[in-house]
Amino acid sequence: GDSVTQMEGPVTLSEEAFLTINCTYTATGYPSLFWYVQYPGEGLQLLLKATKADDKGSNKGFEATYRKETTSFHLEKGSVQVSDSAVYFCALSRAGSYQLTFGKGTKLSVIP
Amino acid sequence: GAVVSQHPSRVICKSGTSVKIECRSLDFQATTMFWYRQFPKQSLMLMATSNEGSKATYEQGVEKDKFLINHASLTLSTLTVTSAHPEDSSFYICSARASVSTGGAWQPQHFGDGTRLSIL
Repeated sequence: GDSVTQMEGPVTLSEEAFLTINCTYTATGYPSLFWYVQYPGEGLQLLLKATKADDKGSNKGFEATYRKETTSFHLEKGSVQVSDSAVYFCALSRAGSYQLTFGKGTKLSVIP
Repeated sequence: GAVVSQHPSRVICKSGTSVKIECRSLDFQATTMFWYRQFPKQSLMLMATSNEGSKATYEQGVEKDKFLINHASLTLSTLTVTSAHPEDSSFYICSARASVSTGGAWQPQHFGDGTRLSIL
């Protein structure tokens, strides 16, 4: 079945540091890929998405590129802020389906 | 933006009690709602998909009689945990997807803030 594997946290970074959260997936066909963010005490919010190979999703300074050859969708940000502290979930959905398969989440803490 | 309200945010009750959790889409109509369960340091596990006006589709291993889902309107779905026991303690999250717009544009899932259920 479909699965998503993302790096285990927690990840602690200083403000303005570079962020990478690795995500790889296993799925048949060409799934759509997503990053969701969950701020403390809140629900999940869609951060960015990519629907086909080589697509780059971007939002709020975060980027992720859909790499079919390595089945990866790593999340990056050049300079993190304290306000980026949250749990980040990588997810996929099969073509034609709205169901999401999530990774376990990676908790990011950014310290001043 | 699209808002999904989930209520209650936290509930503590005795073993054997039935607990109802509501999920409402406040500013859009949701044909489909999803119910997830999240264990500590674990991923969100899809429990069931709820379609307005029809029976919910449960994932393998989820007890239909234990977790009753009702999607009576385009803005409300409820999850009832019947005769809850300590092993049902968890964080339950709902999401709602807007009805497909003209042209079939992709619609994301919008998530509620979750319900922390603790069974004593």
